[in-house]
Amino acid sequence: GNSVTQMEGPVTLSEEAFLTINCTYTATGYPSLFWYVQYPGEGLQLLLKATKADDKGSNKGFEATYRKETTSFHLEKGSVQVSDSAVYFCALSDQGGGSYIPTFGRGTSLIVHP
Amino acid sequence: NAGVTQTPKFQVLKTGQSMTLQCAQDMNHNSMYWYRQDPGMGLRLIYYSASEGTTDKGEVPNGYNVSRLNKREFSLRLESAAPSQTSVYFCASSEPRLAGVKETQYFGPGTRLLVL
Repeated sequence: GNSVTQMEGPVTLSEEAFLTINCTYTATGYPSLFWYVQYPGEGLQLLLKATKADDKGSNKGFEATYRKETTSFHLEKGSVQVSDSAVYFCALSDQGGGSYIPTFGRGTSLIVHP
Repeated sequence: NAGVTQTPKFQVLKTGQSMTLQCAQDMNHNSMYWYRQDPGMGLRLIYYSASEGTTDKGEVPNGYNVSRLNKREFSLRLESAAPSQTSVYFCASSEPRLAGVKETQYFGPGTRLLVL
C-alpha cells in the first residue's frame, strides 16, 4: 500500500534560518505529491504540489522537488519567518487503482523563534 | 465562495450521547472526506464519498456513520459517543479528477469534540 514518512518534530529554528523537512513515500502507481500547512486552530491548506517526476512546486518561498529516483519530496525554505510556525504535512494522491484516497504523513511541527 | 464549512466549531458530549457533524462545500467538488486528527497520529480517514450517492469506509470507521445528503453536504454521525472519540474532526473536498490532474484537498476549519 501507499505510505508517507516525514521527519518527526518539532523542528525549532531561529528567524532567517534555512529549513528542510524531509519526506519520503511509497506508492504503487505514479502519484502526485503535496505539502499542506496547518496554522494553529485552523484546517489544512495546500502549500505546494508537484504532479510528475522532476517537477518543482513552489509557493511563499517554499520549494519541493519530486524525486522519483529517491522517492522523496523534501520541503525547503531559504529564510524562515516567525509567521511560518505551523505544522507541515506531506501527502500523496495516487492515480493507480483509481483510488480517491490521499495518504498523509504524520506532520512536522515547525517553531520559529525571533 | 465560503469553501468548506463545518458546524459546530466546538462540542462537549457525555458518553453515550449522539451528535451529527455537518459539512458543506460550495466548490462543486465530487469527492468529500471526513478525517480525525489526534496528537502524534496525523490525519486518519474515517469515511469518504467519491461522488454523490456513494460512501466508503476509511481507516477508522468504527463508531461512525455518514450521509452524503447531496453533492454539497456530507455529514458524520456519532451514534453513541465514547471518550476515545475525543478529537478534532476535519471535513475536506477535492477537485474532480481530470486527465493529468490529481486531487488537491480543501479542508474545513474543524470541529473540536470532547467526550466526557
